[in-house]
Formats: sequence, structure tokens, C-alpha cells
Amino acid sequence: DTAVSQTPKYLVTQMGNDKSIKCEQNLGHDTMYWYKQDSKKFLKIMFSYNNKELIINETVPNRFSPKSPDKAHLNLHINSLELGDSAVYFCASSTTGYTQYFGPGTRLTVL
Amino acid sequence: QQQVKQSPQSLIVQKGGISIINCAYENTAFDYFPWYQQFPGKGPALLIAIRPDVSEKKEGRFTISFNKSAKQFSLHIMDSQPGDSATYFCAASRNAGNNRKLIWGLGTSLAVNP
Repeated sequence: DTAVSQTPKYLVTQMGNDKSIKCEQNLGHDTMYWYKQDSKKFLKIMFSYNNKELIINETVPNRFSPKSPDKAHLNLHINSLELGDSAVYFCASSTTGYTQYFGPGTRLTVL
Repeated sequence: QQQVKQSPQSLIVQKGGISIINCAYENTAFDYFPWYQQFPGKGPALLIAIRPDVSEKKEGRFTISFNKSAKQFSLHIMDSQPGDSATYFCAASRNAGNNRKLIWGLGTSLAVNP
């Protein structure tokens, strides 16, 4: 069974479109994260939720909106996509804040 | 401002050699220092981690050396293998209740030649 899963794995879209990425974890963890990894491999945390409550909200354009319907799911919606949004987006989860378990990533390409 | 500085950016090692990746931090409140390993097309995965109350931790061929006074820690991979070729990230975090956030290094791309 996959511990942290993301859909879709690849997303190719035009500038200006709106898209969503979904994440689910079956580890029973309380905390979930969204990261952006750029072409240089830099990992930038975007958001973190603990028990459906937003606890980390880094400097991210407000075109990005996370939503956590329950503690096993954390979705990322992106409005008005821009070229600079092209990256790999990782979801992760943790129970203690120490070890983070990452999903396989969603490669977003904005044309 | 990069709170965790990682070097080198890339590293090429021969099979059987020792790979060494270094990290330096500034915030003395950090109390947890993990290393993550990321293979191409995969998410990062925890490799090994250390707390500042010990100076070394070893798991198989992987060792973290920690120097609290110098605010530095390093990953040593003994008998490096081609299968170790990956990107390695150091990170650090501090206790902030349920808001423990990892501060990441920029990563080191390791290539182990056969």
C-alpha cells in the first residue's frame, strides 16, 4: 500500500488555467505538507496543516490555495497558472514533525 | 538567507570510496538534524538523523558526524556504491510545538562511478 499518494503524477497545462493536485496519506499522520522543488532541486515548503488547521503558510502567491477536507487529505489548488509555477510539487506527512514521508511528486509543466 | 548551508553542490566518487557532504547551520535552537536521500523521479526519503546530544550516529555505511561548537554536521558514506547515486539533502529543525518546520540545505548531487 502506498503511504503518501499524489494525483496526477504529471500535469501539463496552459498559462492562465486553474489546476488541482490531490494528496492522500494512509499513515494516520496528523500533519501534512506541500513542497515545491524547482529545476535546481531546491525544496521550498509552501504549506503545512495539522489536523486540518493551517499552521505553516510560507510566502507563496495567493494563487495557491491548500485545502484539507480531513487529516488524511491535503489538496493544492492553483489559479491562473504562470510559467514560473512549473516545478515538481511534493506532498509529505508526519506524525511528530520529525520524520517526513514524501509522496512521489507531481510534475507540473506550464506552457 | 540560507540558514543551512550545504556543500559541495555536486560530488563524484569512485566505487568503494568515501563520500562526504557537509552542512553548517546558524540557529543554535535547532535540535534535530536529518539527512534525506532523493532518487530521480522519487520523493525525498529519510536516510539518517541525529540530535545534538551525540557527536556521531552510524547506520550501516552511513554516518553522521556532528560538531555542536562549530555548528556543523556531515554525512559520510563509506564504501560508496553506484546505487548510492542520488541527491542528498541535509536539514535542521527546532521545537516549535506542532509547528516543527524543516530548514533544508540546497542539496548535493552524488554520482558514484562503477
